[in-house]
Amino acid sequence: DAKTTQPPSMDCAEGRAANLPCNHSTISGNEYVYWYRQIHSQGPQYIIHGLKNNETNEMASLIITEDRKSSTLILPHATLRDTAVYYCIVRGGATNKLIFGTGTLLAVQP
Amino acid sequence: NAGVTQTPKFRVLKTGQSMTLLCAQDMNHEYMYWYRQDPGMGLRLIHYSVGEGTTAKGEVPDGYNVSRLKKQNFLLGLESAAPSQTSVYFCASTSVSGANVLTFGAGSRLTVL
Repeated sequence: DAKTTQPPSMDCAEGRAANLPCNHSTISGNEYVYWYRQIHSQGPQYIIHGLKNNETNEMASLIITEDRKSSTLILPHATLRDTAVYYCIVRGGATNKLIFGTGTLLAVQP
Repeated sequence: NAGVTQTPKFRVLKTGQSMTLLCAQDMNHEYMYWYRQDPGMGLRLIHYSVGEGTTAKGEVPDGYNVSRLKKQNFLLGLESAAPSQTSVYFCASTSVSGANVLTFGAGSRLTVL
């Protein structure tokens, strides 16, 4: 499974878009990009995933670069409740393992 | 409500004691996972299972054993607890067709004195 690199922390003003980057330069062709978040000490929560195309759901948008070596999770209108650790994970193949890194702590400021 | 249930939620052990954490899911998921999370750290995979009767090692398997005797249950055992195993333990599950969208339990906080 490819490794990912994320900034350890980011700030965002409430109501503004939060753009969380992730580098996965060793990603291979059949590997998906997943995003999860963890609020306080709760269990992580799935947000979105994608392979090549950009994806959008009710929570967020996922933008994957054409070479697939990086991606950005976009929370269009961040609220205080979006303060959490966001994990970018790359997974593929037959192992079915999801390896979490240390993630990005997003602090939404009032 | 459908989901992943972990028991117990909290436990304090003395060094050398043994215990078992139970994870139960009612979503008929094939895959189940045990992670641990130390303060200020990300999740690390301990063991996982891709089906009843099968288990495999993750990133940090030492000091733990697991069993998947029933599809809906995944047990994590500590035979001789050590202070280094003080952590929050999360169980997760997903289906074969679930594109690896994991459903997590609420966590089990274990303290080893």
